[in-house]
Amino acid sequence: EIVLTQSPGTLSLSPGERAILSCRASQSISSSYLAWYQQKRGQAPRLLIYGASYRATGIPDRFSGSGSGTDFTLTISRLEPEDFAMYYCQQYDSSPLTFGGGTKVEIK
Amino acid sequence: QLQLQESGPGLVKPSETLSLPCTVSGGSIRNSNYYWVWVRQPPGKGLEWIGSIYYDGNTYYNPSLNSRVTVSVDTSNNQFSLKLISVTAADTAVYFCASGQQGTAYFDLWGQGTLVTVSS
Repeated sequence: EIVLTQSPGTLSLSPGERAILSCRASQSISSSYLAWYQQKRGQAPRLLIYGASYRATGIPDRFSGSGSGTDFTLTISRLEPEDFAMYYCQQYDSSPLTFGGGTKVEIK
Repeated sequence: QLQLQESGPGLVKPSETLSLPCTVSGGSIRNSNYYWVWVRQPPGKGLEWIGSIYYDGNTYYNPSLNSRVTVSVDTSNNQFSLKLISVTAADTAVYFCASGQQGTAYFDLWGQGTLVTVSS
């Protein structure tokens, strides 16, 4: 099973600042089969990024993904008020499909 | 526009069976472009993939639940369902149904989720 470790656990930032979230895999993820989701309190997750760097339909371009192998990053270039939420990475390279533990982006 | 909606009992007794349907609207569950998934989230915790079912009927389950879980499709009601047997308090969670495009294994459409509590 591929274990995904997200860091930091909590990121305290102000609107307008840049957020950099990390997702590290316990073994190499081939073909960059990694996705990122945003989840707001009381809501279902929303797909942001797939294939490590491809934005899902309707996702603003302030969200970008990068990385390969075992190290992946989600960057939010300028935080908007609606971006303060939980973020999860997910690998789909091998079964079982697994999620990281999440990073909370909170208002400083 | 495809939409998913979970339903079912909010409370299940320990050792009993949890059964949750997910109704697909805005399209047919027989559409070969999609596969169907269950994911759960214990209160205050992260996400856990439960299992997936594909157009050809093949199913894949999380080994941590493999012996207790079944995902199936009901074409007559345009639903897919989760059955989890012998539940314990550790199965208390928000259960989400979701879907993805064939050929992928990420989830681009989600239901709103339903909380299931296991308690006597």
